[in-house]
Amino acid sequence: GAGVSQSPRYKVAKRGQDVALRCDPISGHVSLFWYQQALGQGPEFLTYFQNEAQLDKSGLPSDRFFAERPEGSVSTLKIQRTQQEDSAVYLCASSSLAGGNIQYFGAGTRLSVL
Amino acid sequence: TQLLEQSPQFLSIQEGENLTVYCNSSSVFSSLQWYRQEPGEGPVLLVTVVTGGEVKKLKRLTFQFGDARKDSSLHITAAQPGDTGLYLCAARYNQGGKLIFGQGTELSVKP
Repeated sequence: GAGVSQSPRYKVAKRGQDVALRCDPISGHVSLFWYQQALGQGPEFLTYFQNEAQLDKSGLPSDRFFAERPEGSVSTLKIQRTQQEDSAVYLCASSSLAGGNIQYFGAGTRLSVL
Repeated sequence: TQLLEQSPQFLSIQEGENLTVYCNSSSVFSSLQWYRQEPGEGPVLLVTVVTGGEVKKLKRLTFQFGDARKDSSLHITAAQPGDTGLYLCAARYNQGGKLIFGQGTELSVKP
């Protein structure tokens, strides 16, 4: 596709459920980033992949959060045993090294934990 | 911890007015970017500034990067309702790495 695609766009989960959020980056983009954006705030970094290697996961808030990119393309962010404080928009961005490291963002997945 | 302070947090103005948004840090950036985000969408890049003292213009938007590369400003001249949105500054402290975002400025331009 032409841009970064995220699915689902909206997800409602009951507290304690596991959720999986998908990101399809721009074709050929080496780097992939996940960010968490609370309502009315700026995005906060979660984790970063270069190809299939997870180079930085310093922003993951707890061990309930797990991200993978097994083939260096599509990535999945998994949240286990969701809590109310996990409610936020989860943004994915991708960039190419040749493109000056400009990050292109998807529209995000809005997660609501009830 | 690298923090990016953005101000003001909210701005409500009339069409035709001018405004400035500020972005400050205690650390030196390798580059700074300004984004605009509309409801239900991801941030869209407006500009990247790299060199201390740099000034870039994008139609009615003027972006400045401080000489010491610790601060930046976004000035909008003659604001229009279409400028309404969340404006975010984001800094990169090393090449290829994560972005650190400010908390954003919610701009509302009333006709």
